[in-house]
Amino acid sequence: QSVLTQPPSASGTPGQRVTISCSGSSSNIGRNYVYWYQQLPGTAPKVLIYRNDQRPSGVPDRFSGSKSGTSASLAISGLRSEDEADYYCAAWDDSLSGRGVFGGGTKLTVL
Amino acid sequence: QVQLVESGGGLVQPGGSLRLSCAASGFTFSDYYMSWIRQAPGKGLEWLSYIDSGGSSIYYADSVKGRFTISRDNAKNSLYLQMNSLRAEDTALYYCARDSIRSYYGMDVWGQGTTVTVSS
Repeated sequence: QSVLTQPPSASGTPGQRVTISCSGSSSNIGRNYVYWYQQLPGTAPKVLIYRNDQRPSGVPDRFSGSKSGTSASLAISGLRSEDEADYYCAAWDDSLSGRGVFGGGTKLTVL
Repeated sequence: QVQLVESGGGLVQPGGSLRLSCAASGFTFSDYYMSWIRQAPGKGLEWLSYIDSGGSSIYYADSVKGRFTISRDNAKNSLYLQMNSLRAEDTALYYCARDSIRSYYGMDVWGQGTTVTVSS
């Protein structure tokens, strides 16, 4: 059971807009930044969004992040076949002695 | 180019030990926090640990606390993960990553991973 909750799957057709949610609590998303990672099949994860809504250079502006309270979302607009991947949210959790936490991951299928 | 290369994975019996290494190149290793993350077969990412640039501040996931030890040698541009008392549930692909889960840019460089299999 992951500390951050994501839907296990999401899907869309090319050109569509899809969103992936990430639900946490006051000890993680509620007081810390959220990061999103994309893992293409057979590859290592790559940071897609940092500090809630910032895109690293090279990440298309089709990808956007947002955060409100104890939840966060990743939106992908203009969906493309190469976006088919697993997406993970991540944050620091201040409970106990402090720990990093990931969501369980969302497998995005482009139909 | 900026690169992380993990090594040291393999097959080990339950209760055994293994030491993973992560060789860094293409950046000033001593300027960065470093992290270990794992991924069990067919499962999601699990954060394990991070160490600050000087090696003095360290955090662990509860699942590995007391069994795993993260360390670094800045002179050798290397990160390590000493894994003791290994269990079947430690079977996974182990990644090292540059920076920490809460650093400004997140964990922005990842290695290709090294596989650890715990089985008798």
